[in-house]
Amino acid sequence: DQQVKQNSPSLSVQEGRISILNCDYTNSMFDYFLWYKKYPAEGPTFLISISSIKDKNEDGRFTVFLNKSAKHLSLHIVPSQPGDSAVYFCAASVTGTASKLTFGTGTRLQVTL
Amino acid sequence: DGGITQSPKYLFRKEGQNVTLSCEQNLNHDAMYWYRQDPGQGLRLIYYSQIVNDFQKGDIAEGYSVSREKKESFPLTVTSAQKNPTAFYLCASRISLGVASPLHFGNGTRLTVT
Repeated sequence: DQQVKQNSPSLSVQEGRISILNCDYTNSMFDYFLWYKKYPAEGPTFLISISSIKDKNEDGRFTVFLNKSAKHLSLHIVPSQPGDSAVYFCAASVTGTASKLTFGTGTRLQVTL
Repeated sequence: DGGITQSPKYLFRKEGQNVTLSCEQNLNHDAMYWYRQDPGQGLRLIYYSQIVNDFQKGDIAEGYSVSREKKESFPLTVTSAQKNPTAFYLCASRISLGVASPLHFGNGTRLTVT
């Protein structure tokens, strides 16, 4: 049972444009959501998170939007840069338990010149 | 400079042998985790530990074992009972239970079993 889903395995965007990565979840108990960026043969790097009490969180070029009624979150990268090319994972957890993260399968973003 | 160290980066073993992957953190984090990544799949949780001398099975614990004798260390043993051990293994830590905070990951160990 895939509780966190990233339905687009890949995305290609031109440099300078907006990248939008999507994530859906099924467990209504999730209340903390994160995005990670991963390069090949390296560990994931934390990008940005959002608590369920918010619907938007910004950090520089990265913005995460949360739509609780639709059980959907998205990551916007503006403007996209070639160095953003990587695999992006969304993850979710229930705060107050062991807080284990449940990950999606990832979306490979390619930013072209 | 604080972080999580996984060693070695690449590991090769023959089928039927047990192998132990090292994970050390100097972030003073209470909780530690082991995940596995396979091509085209997300990260799947193997084991986690919230405190020294205590650990719990994750979603795919069969064929693996762990220990948590020290706060800084959380080694993972891949036993011969693990049917598909070839994978990229990631260790992570976070501040403590109950706090909404991100996991910090090491750079992983790629295990190849032939």
